[in-house]
Amino acid sequence: KNEVEQSPQNLTAQEGEFITINCSYSVGISALHWLQQHPGGGIVSLFMLSSGKKKHGRLIATINIQEKHSSLHITASHPRDSAVYICAVLSYNQGGKLIFGQGTELSVKP
Amino acid sequence: GAVVSQHPSRVICKSGTSVKIECRSLDFQATTMFWYRQFPKQSLMLMATSNEGSKATYEQGVEKDKFLINHASLTLSTLTVTSAHPEDSSFYICSARRDTYSPLHFGNGTRLTVT
Repeated sequence: KNEVEQSPQNLTAQEGEFITINCSYSVGISALHWLQQHPGGGIVSLFMLSSGKKKHGRLIATINIQEKHSSLHITASHPRDSAVYICAVLSYNQGGKLIFGQGTELSVKP
Repeated sequence: GAVVSQHPSRVICKSGTSVKIECRSLDFQATTMFWYRQFPKQSLMLMATSNEGSKATYEQGVEKDKFLINHASLTLSTLTVTSAHPEDSSFYICSARRDTYSPLHFGNGTRLTVT
């Protein structure tokens, strides 16, 4: 079993829909990252969380440390949100390395 | 915001040659840089962790003589793929951070094709 599990692996939505991507992890962490990778390959760091909730525009990220679970929400989704979303955790007993989830491929149809 | 520049974005080389990829932090000093490799439809695989002024720490299974990493300054790390072979063709990405508690910033990646 992977130390970081994302669900779903693939997601197709209609423009305007509310989207949730989930991330569960099994290791102790000092922080969790949500990353966005576009088809060209470049990666953008969306959020770095260690507790609670963060919001940036239409994106919201939450984390529950006790349950070892995080969610990324996209409100009023748009075709330009189509990308791979990756959850990565900073494990405090792995020398500061990130452990990556497998990614969620999101496609938003107009 | 902080930016990490990776160059080149795309390179095609012949088998047996060496290729150097640069990763620069443009507006912050990066004490640590990471190098990843990504195969199609897969997540990132950490190759090595590079701390300024010291030798890189390679992940298990990554050949340090094949993938030479140098982090000579707080703003530049380089990955050199030596004696490249077609199986080295892949997407290579770097990331950098100011310190352990700072966000990670990623380069745009380098697509290497070895013919």
